[in-house]
Amino acid sequence: AQKVTQAQTEISVVEKEDVTLDCVYETRDTTYYLFWYKQPPSGELVFLIRRNSFDEQNEISGRYSWNFQKSTSSFNFTITASQVVDSAVYFCALSEAWLTGGGNKLTFGTGTQLKVEL
Amino acid sequence: DAGVIQSPRHEVTEMGQEVTLRCKPISGHDYLFWYRQTMMRGLELLIYFNNNVPIDDSGMPEDRFSAKMPNASFSTLKIQPSEPRDSAVYFCASSFSPGQGRGQPQHFGDGTRLSIL
Repeated sequence: AQKVTQAQTEISVVEKEDVTLDCVYETRDTTYYLFWYKQPPSGELVFLIRRNSFDEQNEISGRYSWNFQKSTSSFNFTITASQVVDSAVYFCALSEAWLTGGGNKLTFGTGTQLKVEL
Repeated sequence: DAGVIQSPRHEVTEMGQEVTLRCKPISGHDYLFWYRQTMMRGLELLIYFNNNVPIDDSGMPEDRFSAKMPNASFSTLKIQPSEPRDSAVYFCASSFSPGQGRGQPQHFGDGTRLSIL
């Protein structure tokens, strides 16, 4: 069975600090997809990034960067120079590959609440 | 472009009443999902549809819950009769099919915050 663990329940930082949100996953599939979603205080879920299991290149998008390491089954998310607007709950999620018959199910972690203070 | 649209945004009703939640997926998306979010259980997948056909409803908690997708642009999640423990935020999400790229992200609506008194 798939599992996603976000061990950090809550993180508080001061604005402009860098912060890393950890995500560790378990799957028996060799092909799978990893996602990060953001849930701001307003409540909607916003898609941030998708990564497939064959692509271990790190990705950077503005102040956001993602580090995918298959050797440690981790897909960590770093926010550089954090801002108050980054305050939200961040979810890591795992999906089985379509062709293995696992369908399209997303398994979510429990989320990390990030609070960025002035 | 319009995202996933859910209605109502908030619903407060008495125990025992029927509740109907509505969802309009993103145009062109072949998959539609219903999730429930609670503090205790986090995000749970209830049911999902492919081309309007229910594929997996194993997450539906009880027979009191039912979902339909009469056409490609509309789905409902119904609870009858409702109970206080059904209070949660219900999300609808949609995505493209694998034929248009594997591992397609699911795009979520703003959710319906349901309170059963």
